[in-house]
Amino acid sequence: DIQMTQSPSTLSASVGDEVTITCRASQSIDGWLAWYQQKPGKAPELLIYKASNLERGVPRRFSGGGSGTEFTLTISSLQPDDFAIYYCQQYHTYSTFGQGTKLEIK
Amino acid sequence: QVQLVESGGGVVQPGRSLRLSCAVSGFIFNRYAMHWVRQAPGKALECVAVIWYDGSNKYYVESVKGRFTISRDNPKNTLFLQMNNLRAEDTAVYYCARAPIGSGSYYDYWGQGTLVIVAS
Repeated sequence: DIQMTQSPSTLSASVGDEVTITCRASQSIDGWLAWYQQKPGKAPELLIYKASNLERGVPRRFSGGGSGTEFTLTISSLQPDDFAIYYCQQYHTYSTFGQGTKLEIK
Repeated sequence: QVQLVESGGGVVQPGRSLRLSCAVSGFIFNRYAMHWVRQAPGKALECVAVIWYDGSNKYYVESVKGRFTISRDNPKNTLFLQMNNLRAEDTAVYYCARAPIGSGSYYDYWGQGTLVIVAS
């Protein structure tokens, strides 16, 4: 199974900051990586697929990058609505998720 | 618009069974693979079962093999997850999710989830 490791587990930031979350795969997954945002009591929502493709309707302050085993999600100019938990997911071989990164208000 | 609505969750004793359903609308169901993804309380997401668009192939995570069965009724636009011999560690919110590119896919639409609690 492909293991996904996110860092950091928790990230404290302020409105207007730029933040980056990292996701590492245990083996190469090419660009088969997605990012999701999840708020309490809700289903996850797709932000980015194929490492860097923004899902329709997602604000452009979200961006993704990377390939192979290391990937990033960057949120520029944080908005109040962005404080949530973020998950990466590999879909090179079926599907596995990272453990999540909680983005909290500093 | 695309909708996925899960049902069938509840409280069940260890060793018992439960059948989850996911009724979909707003898209051509028989063109998409579907996945069940679960989330234990305070934990990360885990894909537990996958079914090809036509039901011809299925995949299960190791921890549920032999106990869970995924199936679909394409004419009725419904996905199922039969869960037998339930264990405490199966306690989770179960989501059905649409997989636009097949067995290995991201998920572009999710249901609202149904809670399964396995406890005596």
